[in-house]
Amino acid sequence: GENVEQHPSTLSVQEGDSAVIKCTYSDSASNYFPWYKQELGKRPQLIIDIRSNVGEKKDQRIAVTLNKTAKHFSLHITETQPEDSAVYFCAAPENKAGKSTFGDGTTLTVKP
Amino acid sequence: DTAVSQTPKYLVTQMGNDKSIKCEQNLGHDTMYWYKQDSKKFLKIMFSYNNKELIINETVPNRFSPKSPDKAHLNLHINSLELGDSAVYFCASSRQGAVDGYTFGSGTRLTVV
Repeated sequence: GENVEQHPSTLSVQEGDSAVIKCTYSDSASNYFPWYKQELGKRPQLIIDIRSNVGEKKDQRIAVTLNKTAKHFSLHITETQPEDSAVYFCAAPENKAGKSTFGDGTTLTVKP
Repeated sequence: DTAVSQTPKYLVTQMGNDKSIKCEQNLGHDTMYWYKQDSKKFLKIMFSYNNKELIINETVPNRFSPKSPDKAHLNLHINSLELGDSAVYFCASSRQGAVDGYTFGSGTRLTVV
Protein backbone atom coordinates (compact mmCIF):
# COMPACT_ATOMS: atom_id res chain seq x y z
CA GLY A 1 0.00 0.00 0.00
CA GLU A 2 0.86 3.67 -0.09
CA ASN A 3 3.23 4.98 2.59
CA VAL A 4 3.24 8.75 3.17
CA GLU A 5 5.83 10.45 5.36
CA GLN A 6 5.42 14.10 6.35
CA HIS A 7 8.06 16.41 7.84
CA PRO A 8 8.45 18.28 10.06
CA SER A 9 5.88 17.31 12.67
CA THR A 10 5.99 20.79 14.18
CA LEU A 11 7.09 24.10 12.66
CA SER A 12 7.27 27.50 14.29
CA VAL A 13 7.91 30.66 12.26
CA GLN A 14 7.73 34.40 12.74
CA GLU A 15 4.93 36.27 11.03
CA GLY A 16 6.03 37.23 7.54
CA ASP A 17 8.47 34.34 7.16
CA SER A 18 7.98 31.42 4.79
CA ALA A 19 7.05 27.87 5.81
CA VAL A 20 7.74 24.66 3.91
CA ILE A 21 6.28 21.23 4.65
CA LYS A 22 7.42 18.16 2.74
CA CYS A 23 5.84 14.78 2.06
CA THR A 24 7.25 11.67 0.44
CA TYR A 25 5.18 8.85 -0.98
CA SER A 26 5.93 5.31 -2.05
CA ASP A 27 3.45 4.39 -4.81
CA SER A 28 4.87 5.56 -8.14
CA ALA A 29 1.38 5.24 -9.66
CA SER A 30 0.00 7.99 -7.41
CA ASN A 31 -1.17 10.93 -9.50
CA TYR A 32 -3.04 13.32 -7.20
CA PHE A 33 -1.60 15.15 -4.18
CA PRO A 34 -3.82 17.33 -1.99
CA TRP A 35 -3.03 19.42 1.06
CA TYR A 36 -5.51 19.99 3.87
CA LYS A 37 -5.56 22.59 6.64
CA GLN A 38 -7.20 21.77 9.97
CA GLU A 39 -7.72 24.61 12.41
CA LEU A 40 -8.18 23.77 16.08
CA GLY A 41 -11.50 22.03 16.65
CA LYS A 42 -12.48 22.24 12.98
CA ARG A 43 -12.66 19.88 10.03
CA PRO A 44 -9.75 19.38 7.58
CA GLN A 45 -10.26 21.56 4.51
CA LEU A 46 -8.66 21.20 1.11
CA ILE A 47 -6.45 24.22 0.44
CA ILE A 48 -4.51 23.24 -2.69
CA ASP A 49 -3.84 20.16 -4.79
CA ILE A 50 -1.64 19.13 -7.69
CA ARG A 51 -1.87 16.44 -10.31
CA SER A 52 1.08 14.53 -11.66
CA ASN A 53 1.13 16.26 -15.04
CA VAL A 54 2.39 19.54 -13.54
CA GLY A 55 5.35 20.40 -11.35
CA GLU A 56 4.05 23.44 -9.49
CA LYS A 57 0.78 25.15 -8.66
CA LYS A 58 0.22 28.47 -6.90
CA ASP A 59 -2.75 30.08 -5.23
CA GLN A 60 -1.93 33.48 -3.75
CA ARG A 61 0.41 32.85 -0.79
CA ILE A 62 0.40 29.06 -1.02
CA ALA A 63 2.06 26.83 -3.57
CA VAL A 64 2.66 23.12 -4.03
CA THR A 65 5.60 21.59 -5.88
CA LEU A 66 5.86 18.02 -7.06
CA ASN A 67 8.94 15.96 -7.90
CA LYS A 68 7.70 12.69 -9.37
CA THR A 69 11.17 11.26 -9.85
CA ALA A 70 12.02 11.66 -6.18
CA LYS A 71 8.42 10.94 -5.12
CA HIS A 72 7.99 13.98 -2.95
CA PHE A 73 5.78 17.06 -2.89
CA SER A 74 5.92 20.17 -0.74
CA LEU A 75 3.63 22.89 0.54
CA HIS A 76 5.03 26.41 0.55
CA ILE A 77 3.40 29.25 2.45
CA THR A 78 4.86 32.73 1.97
CA GLU A 79 4.34 35.85 4.09
CA THR A 80 2.85 33.76 6.88
CA GLN A 81 0.15 35.24 9.08
CA PRO A 82 -1.13 34.16 12.53
CA GLU A 83 -4.28 32.76 10.88
CA ASP A 84 -2.08 30.28 9.01
CA SER A 85 -1.52 28.53 12.36
CA ALA A 86 -3.10 25.08 12.02
CA VAL A 87 -2.32 21.43 11.40
CA TYR A 88 -1.51 20.70 7.76
CA PHE A 89 -1.94 17.25 6.21
CA CYS A 90 -0.69 15.92 2.91
CA ALA A 91 -2.28 12.91 1.24
CA ALA A 92 -1.57 10.55 -1.62
CA PRO A 93 -3.98 8.12 -3.27
CA GLU A 94 -3.71 4.38 -3.43
CA ASN A 95 -5.68 4.23 -6.65
CA LYS A 96 -6.28 0.50 -6.77
CA ALA A 97 -7.67 0.59 -3.26
CA GLY A 98 -9.67 3.76 -3.90
CA LYS A 99 -8.45 5.57 -0.81
CA SER A 100 -6.06 8.31 0.24
CA THR A 101 -3.36 7.83 2.82
CA PHE A 102 -2.72 10.89 4.95
CA GLY A 103 0.58 12.06 6.36
CA ASP A 104 0.82 12.38 10.13
CA GLY A 105 0.33 16.14 10.02
CA THR A 106 2.45 19.24 10.69
CA THR A 107 1.50 21.67 13.42
CA LEU A 108 2.39 25.14 12.12
CA THR A 109 2.59 28.00 14.60
CA VAL A 110 3.00 31.55 13.28
CA LYS A 111 4.19 33.91 15.99
CA PRO A 112 3.07 37.54 15.69
CA ASP B 1 -26.33 24.64 2.90
CA THR B 2 -23.83 22.36 4.59
CA ALA B 3 -22.07 20.16 2.02
CA VAL B 4 -21.28 17.22 4.34
CA SER B 5 -23.26 17.14 7.56
CA GLN B 6 -22.68 14.81 10.48
CA THR B 7 -24.75 14.25 13.57
CA PRO B 8 -24.27 14.34 16.45
CA LYS B 9 -21.35 16.72 16.91
CA TYR B 10 -20.63 15.41 20.41
CA LEU B 11 -21.37 11.99 21.86
CA VAL B 12 -20.62 10.99 25.45
CA THR B 13 -21.58 7.46 26.39
CA GLN B 14 -20.74 4.64 28.76
CA MET B 15 -18.70 1.58 27.94
CA GLY B 16 -20.74 -1.23 26.50
CA ASN B 17 -23.36 0.99 24.89
CA ASP B 18 -24.27 1.00 21.18
CA LYS B 19 -24.31 4.29 19.28
CA SER B 20 -24.73 5.58 15.72
CA ILE B 21 -23.33 8.54 13.80
CA LYS B 22 -25.10 9.80 10.70
CA CYS B 23 -23.62 11.48 7.65
CA GLU B 24 -25.22 13.07 4.61
CA GLN B 25 -23.70 14.88 1.64
CA ASN B 26 -25.51 17.09 -0.87
CA LEU B 27 -22.62 17.44 -3.32
CA GLY B 28 -23.65 14.60 -5.61
CA HIS B 29 -20.36 12.83 -4.86
CA ASP B 30 -20.02 9.13 -5.61
CA THR B 31 -17.63 8.16 -2.80
CA MET B 32 -18.01 8.51 0.95
CA TYR B 33 -15.61 7.67 3.77
CA TRP B 34 -15.27 7.32 7.49
CA TYR B 35 -11.98 8.44 9.03
CA LYS B 36 -10.89 8.25 12.67
CA GLN B 37 -8.72 11.00 14.15
CA ASP B 38 -7.04 10.02 17.39
CA SER B 39 -5.59 12.19 20.14
CA LYS B 40 -2.34 12.58 18.17
CA LYS B 41 -4.34 14.00 15.23
CA PHE B 42 -3.54 11.08 12.92
CA LEU B 43 -6.24 10.53 10.26
CA LYS B 44 -6.86 6.84 9.57
CA ILE B 45 -9.36 5.48 7.08
CA MET B 46 -11.96 3.06 8.36
CA PHE B 47 -14.40 2.52 5.50
CA SER B 48 -15.11 3.71 1.99
CA TYR B 49 -18.27 3.36 -0.07
CA ASN B 50 -18.71 4.04 -3.75
CA ASN B 51 -22.31 4.37 -4.95
CA LYS B 52 -23.59 2.51 -1.89
CA GLU B 53 -21.10 -0.33 -2.29
CA LEU B 54 -18.41 -1.05 0.30
CA ILE B 55 -14.98 -0.83 -1.33
CA ILE B 56 -12.66 -0.40 1.64
CA ASN B 57 -12.88 -2.04 5.02
CA GLU B 58 -9.64 -1.43 6.86
CA THR B 59 -8.61 -3.42 9.89
CA VAL B 60 -11.43 -2.19 12.07
CA PRO B 61 -13.09 -4.24 14.83
CA ASN B 62 -16.33 -5.78 13.62
CA ARG B 63 -18.09 -3.82 16.35
CA PHE B 64 -18.03 -1.02 13.77
CA SER B 65 -20.59 -1.43 11.00
CA PRO B 66 -21.16 1.11 8.24
CA LYS B 67 -24.41 1.36 6.32
CA SER B 68 -25.11 3.28 3.13
CA PRO B 69 -28.82 3.38 2.27
CA ASP B 70 -28.06 5.54 -0.79
CA LYS B 71 -25.03 7.31 -2.21
CA ALA B 72 -25.78 10.50 -0.27
CA HIS B 73 -25.78 8.84 3.14
CA LEU B 74 -23.20 6.85 5.09
CA ASN B 75 -23.91 5.99 8.70
CA LEU B 76 -21.66 4.36 11.27
CA HIS B 77 -22.97 2.08 14.00
CA ILE B 78 -20.74 1.06 16.88
CA ASN B 79 -21.60 -1.82 19.20
CA SER B 80 -20.24 -2.48 22.69
CA LEU B 81 -18.27 0.76 22.91
CA GLU B 82 -14.83 0.64 24.53
CA LEU B 83 -12.65 3.34 26.09
CA GLY B 84 -10.25 3.10 23.14
CA ASP B 85 -13.01 4.09 20.73
CA SER B 86 -12.84 7.66 22.05
CA ALA B 87 -11.78 9.84 19.12
CA VAL B 88 -13.11 12.27 16.54
CA TYR B 89 -14.84 10.52 13.65
CA PHE B 90 -14.97 12.34 10.33
CA CYS B 91 -17.22 11.57 7.44
CA ALA B 92 -15.95 12.72 4.04
CA SER B 93 -16.95 12.55 0.41
CA SER B 94 -15.21 12.92 -2.93
CA ARG B 95 -16.47 13.21 -6.48
CA GLN B 96 -14.92 9.95 -7.56
CA GLY B 97 -12.55 7.99 -5.41
CA ALA B 98 -9.16 9.04 -4.16
CA VAL B 99 -8.13 11.17 -7.15
CA ASP B 100 -10.33 14.08 -6.09
CA GLY B 101 -10.22 16.24 -3.00
CA TYR B 102 -12.23 15.28 0.03
CA THR B 103 -14.94 17.40 1.61
CA PHE B 104 -15.09 16.58 5.31
CA GLY B 105 -17.99 16.76 7.70
CA SER B 106 -17.60 18.73 10.92
CA GLY B 107 -16.70 15.62 12.89
CA THR B 108 -18.22 13.75 15.82
CA ARG B 109 -16.27 13.80 19.06
CA LEU B 110 -16.98 10.47 20.74
CA THR B 111 -16.08 10.11 24.41
CA VAL B 112 -16.52 6.73 26.06
CA VAL B 113 -16.52 6.82 29.85
